[in-house]
Amino acid sequence: AQSVTQLDSHVSVSEGTPVLLRCNYSSSYSPSLFWYVQHPNKGLQLLLKYTSAATLVKGINGFEAEFKKSETSFHLTKPSAHMSDAAEYFCVVSDPGSREDTGRRALTFGSGTRLQVQP
Amino acid sequence: EAGVAQSPRYKIIEKRQSVAFWCNPISGHATLYWYQQILGQGPKLLIQFQNNGVVDDSQLPKDRFSAERLKGVDSTLKIQPAKLEDSAVYLCASSPRWLAFQHEQYFGPGTRLTVT
Repeated sequence: AQSVTQLDSHVSVSEGTPVLLRCNYSSSYSPSLFWYVQHPNKGLQLLLKYTSAATLVKGINGFEAEFKKSETSFHLTKPSAHMSDAAEYFCVVSDPGSREDTGRRALTFGSGTRLQVQP
Repeated sequence: EAGVAQSPRYKIIEKRQSVAFWCNPISGHATLYWYQQILGQGPKLLIQFQNNGVVDDSQLPKDRFSAERLKGVDSTLKIQPAKLEDSAVYLCASSPRWLAFQHEQYFGPGTRLTVT
C-alpha cells in the first residue's frame, strides 16, 4: 500500500525568501513521486516528477525536489518565493503495485500544504 | 493540445436529488480517472477506466454513485441520490499510458458540487 504525508498544512514565507514544503511517503515498491500545484479555482498542474532517474528533480517555475530513499522523503524547495507561488501544493505517490494490481495507476495524494507568500 | 474538459463547473442541488457530471479527456488518452476532492483534503480516486473498461472502482460508493465511459472517450459520473457529504469538487483526469505509471495525469478544472 502507498501513502504520503505532508508535514505542514500551512507554510508562510516572505517574498524573496526560500520555500520548503515537506513530504514523506510510504510505498511497497519503487514509486513515482510528483508535486502538483492547485491555484484557486484552477485545475491541478504538475510541477515536477521523479521516476527513478536523477534524484534531484527540477520542475517549472524554479521549483525542485530531492528524492531521498533512506529518509523516504521528497521535499519541495524553491530558492526565492514569488507572490504568484501562493497556492495549494500536493505531494503525490504512484507505485506499480503488485502483479495483480497492474493497470491500477491511480495517484495517492497528500492532504496538501497551503503556501502563503507575504509581501 | 486541448486540455481535459469538464461540465458543469458548478452545481447546487438539494439532498436526495440526482446530478451528473461530464468529462472529455485529452484526445488519444486511453486512461480516465474520476477523483473526489473534499474541502481541505487531497483528491481521492473514485474510479479508473482503461478505454471503456473499469480498472478500479474499489472506492466508488456504488449504492449511489455510477460512472460510464461509452466508446472509450467521454465519461459521465452520476450521483443518485445525493447526500450532504457529497459536497466536493469532482475532478476528471486522463493519462496517455496504461502500464507506464511514471506518466503524469492531466486534470480538468473540476465541477464544484454543493448539496444543501
